[in-house]
Amino acid sequence: QVTLRESGPALVKPTQTLTLTCTCSGFSLSTSGMCVSWIRQPPGKALEWLARIDWDDDKYYSTSLKTRLTISKDTSKNQVVLAMTNMDPVDTATYYCARIPPTYLPSHAFDIWGQGTMVTVSS
Amino acid sequence: DIQMTQSPSTLSASVGDRVTITCRASQSISSWLAWYQQKPGLAPKLLIYKASILESGVPSRFSGSGSGTEFTLTISSLQPDAFATYYCQQYNSYPYTFGQGTKLEIK
Repeated sequence: QVTLRESGPALVKPTQTLTLTCTCSGFSLSTSGMCVSWIRQPPGKALEWLARIDWDDDKYYSTSLKTRLTISKDTSKNQVVLAMTNMDPVDTATYYCARIPPTYLPSHAFDIWGQGTMVTVSS
Repeated sequence: DIQMTQSPSTLSASVGDRVTITCRASQSISSWLAWYQQKPGLAPKLLIYKASILESGVPSRFSGSGSGTEFTLTISSLQPDAFATYYCQQYNSYPYTFGQGTKLEIK
């Protein structure tokens, strides 16, 4: 069974760095063509794509957030990590990780999503 | 960045109705478009990719069409579990962008 599970702090203070982990099961991040993205959704608002990392370690970032984001992966743990610096209350959102399967390429649709983790930014 | 605009923002319909949601891109995205369904408190679920390919397990009453800058999601006969919010997403170029969502409500 293919699953993704997000984990990280539920509450961070303004200016702090947020670190989120996406633990993947049922597939390998090392599989050729495999990609994982992070997407967020502020309460009551639309989805916003943040970053993507590929099996070959290529990385892509949101234009508006690229200076604050770092995506990485640990293939030995089958995990993808997202770091976001200088957190602000407007970054309060549910953060999702989602998979792009190699069988869908060149389509970059997200076939499996994690359940999401809610992060609140407040002092 | 490519802007994705959905219409309407809210749609009221009844069980059995046929409904259509439109998504427009600010520039051509060929057929590189996906549709997702999201229910309250849950993650989005992929319905359609490459504009018209139905994801495995998704009922055939869902269909997608379009290319270039204009796309539609059609539900041929609304069932109770279809009342949710729908998002389009372009993946023609980075950054990926989503529409603002269309909330499908029970009339």
